[in-house]
Amino acid sequence: AQSVTQLDSQVPVFEEAPVELRCNYSSSVSVYLFWYVQYPNQGLQLLLKYLSGSTLVESINGFEAEFNKSQTSFHLRKPSVHISDTAEYFCAVSEVSGTYKYIFGTGTRLKVLA
Amino acid sequence: KAGVTQTPRYLIKTRGQQVTLSCSPISGHRSVSWYQQTPGQGLQFLFEYFSETQRNKGNFPGRFSGRQFSNSRSEMNVSTLELGDSALYLCASSFDRGVETQYFGPGTRLLVL
Repeated sequence: AQSVTQLDSQVPVFEEAPVELRCNYSSSVSVYLFWYVQYPNQGLQLLLKYLSGSTLVESINGFEAEFNKSQTSFHLRKPSVHISDTAEYFCAVSEVSGTYKYIFGTGTRLKVLA
Repeated sequence: KAGVTQTPRYLIKTRGQQVTLSCSPISGHRSVSWYQQTPGQGLQFLFEYFSETQRNKGNFPGRFSGRQFSNSRSEMNVSTLELGDSALYLCASSFDRGVETQYFGPGTRLLVL
């Protein structure tokens, strides 16, 4: 069975500092990997995704994530955060075949401090 | 294109009652998934519908049910509400499955007293 682990439930960081949000997954089959962001009082929206090819994927607002198959990780990073990045971030996996069910992690609340 | 809409946005019910939540997907999207979001539990998958058929189901009791109509709109029903059912219920639509991005609605916040 698939599972997604986000070890950090909350991450406080000062504005303009770098941040890394960790995501590890477990699956017996190949998976697609996603990061979603949820701003206060809103639904989730896709931040970036890895399907195949280059293991480093980037979003339009400066986030990047690297797929590491040997460590079964897909950590999210940003070199310099802004106040507006304050949100909850969810890692998710979807099987490449079979049920295609999405499995989400429990989320990491990023709090950017001025 | 209009986004995913969910109605109502807020609901207060008492234990034992039942509730029906509605979700209208993005035009052209055929897959609708439902999730329960609670603090500490993250998003728990309830079920997914595609072309009026339930394709996937999470580990929730039979009190939770759903359906999808021919226009892809979906409803979720919870019978005999319990206090623990208080949560944000999110609906997400996608064109199909797998690689497809899921587009989420704003959710329905249910409070059970």
